[in-house]
Order: sequence, then C-alpha cells, then structure tokens
Amino acid sequence: SAVISQKPSRDICQRGTSLTIQCQVDSQVTMMFWYRQQPGQSLTLIATANQGSEATYESGFVIDKFPISRPNLTFSTLTVSNMSPEDSSIYLCSGGNQGRLAEAFFGQGTRLTVV
Amino acid sequence: QKEVEQNSGPLSVPEGAIASLNCTYSDRGSQSFFWYRQYSGKSPELIMSIYSNGDKEDGRFTAQLNKASQYVSLLIRDSQPSDSATYLCAVPTNAGKSTFGDGTTLTVKP
Repeated sequence: SAVISQKPSRDICQRGTSLTIQCQVDSQVTMMFWYRQQPGQSLTLIATANQGSEATYESGFVIDKFPISRPNLTFSTLTVSNMSPEDSSIYLCSGGNQGRLAEAFFGQGTRLTVV
Repeated sequence: QKEVEQNSGPLSVPEGAIASLNCTYSDRGSQSFFWYRQYSGKSPELIMSIYSNGDKEDGRFTAQLNKASQYVSLLIRDSQPSDSATYLCAVPTNAGKSTFGDGTTLTVKP
C-alpha cells in the first residue's frame, strides 16, 4: 500500500486568504483525488488530480476556487482560494491505481479553520 | 436514491458482541467494495476490500458481498472498545474515484 504524506495537518487562516495543501506519495500512483469532509459528515469528492493536465472537478466545485496541480505521479497540491468561514473543513487527498479493483489510501488530512 | 447507503447509526454494542454494519449500492456494474475505518479526527483507513460474492475474513473482520442484492456488509466479531469509530462503505467507479456512504458510527461499550 502507498503511504501519503499530507501537510499542513491543520491551519487557521484569515478570510480572503488562500492556503495550499500538499500531498506526497511514496510511490507512483495513477490516480490522486481531493476530498472535503465537513464535521460529522462523509467524504465529498472535490476533484480528480490529473498528471500533466487540468483537474476534473465534481459538480459544485470550480477551478478558480480550488486550483489543483499534479506535476508528476507522486505529488499534488490543492489550493483553497479566497477563503470564507464556509470553507472550514477537513481536506483529504487520496491516491491509488486505476481500475475498479484498485484500493485507495488517504493522507492524514488537513483541518482548516477560516476566521 | 443515494449511490451508496449505509444503515443509519449510531450503533452501540457491548464488548465481545458482534457488530454488523450494512451497505447497499445502486450501480449493478460495481465490482469492488471497500470498508474504511475512521477514528475521530483521523483520516479513513482501509480495513477490508471484497470483490467476489460470499464472505472474506480477516481476523475479527468479515466482509460479505451479495451482488444480486447489491448489498455488502461488515461483521466485527468479539468487538473491542478500540473498534469504536465511524465505518465508511466505499464503491469505486471505473475512473478509480470512490463514492462513500455517510458512514455508521460504532460505539463498543466495555
């Protein structure tokens, strides 16, 4: 299984600012994803991070608000832009290999609080 | 209908009992199913995967899959207080991304 290091683990940010979250995988994975998890709720997929091309966003999420980079098969970043208190949440990256039988593994998560 | 539904919780069992967690899914073409355990304040941890009809056992955990009924379950035998967590059922698509159920919170009481 892949080990995913995510940082920062938590941050408190001022509204209107931006935060970039990084995920580093210890081996190459074909797929990387970014999720958001509100307190007491399940995971909501934000986007699929595509290596060398623009990310694929789910309904309700846009590139201007959540720009994503994936320069290679082991690294991805998610930026939460122009933050508001509604963006306070846990952000999780996951990685795995393509295919329905593929298992996905998660980073430790970033707990973001916007004040 | 949600794509992945889990039995509503919270679920409370005494220590040593069997905890039964259930999940149904809507896509008949789904081929793999995962159970994640998430402790409070932590990220999800993959604990079981199942691909074929029937049972798959790993220690105290047994996953059961019935594709005809579009149903997957997780049984935890001899439940321990350390099993207290939220359990998430996940069903990946061909693109590799997963749809998660809302989770069932399990409390094992000593």
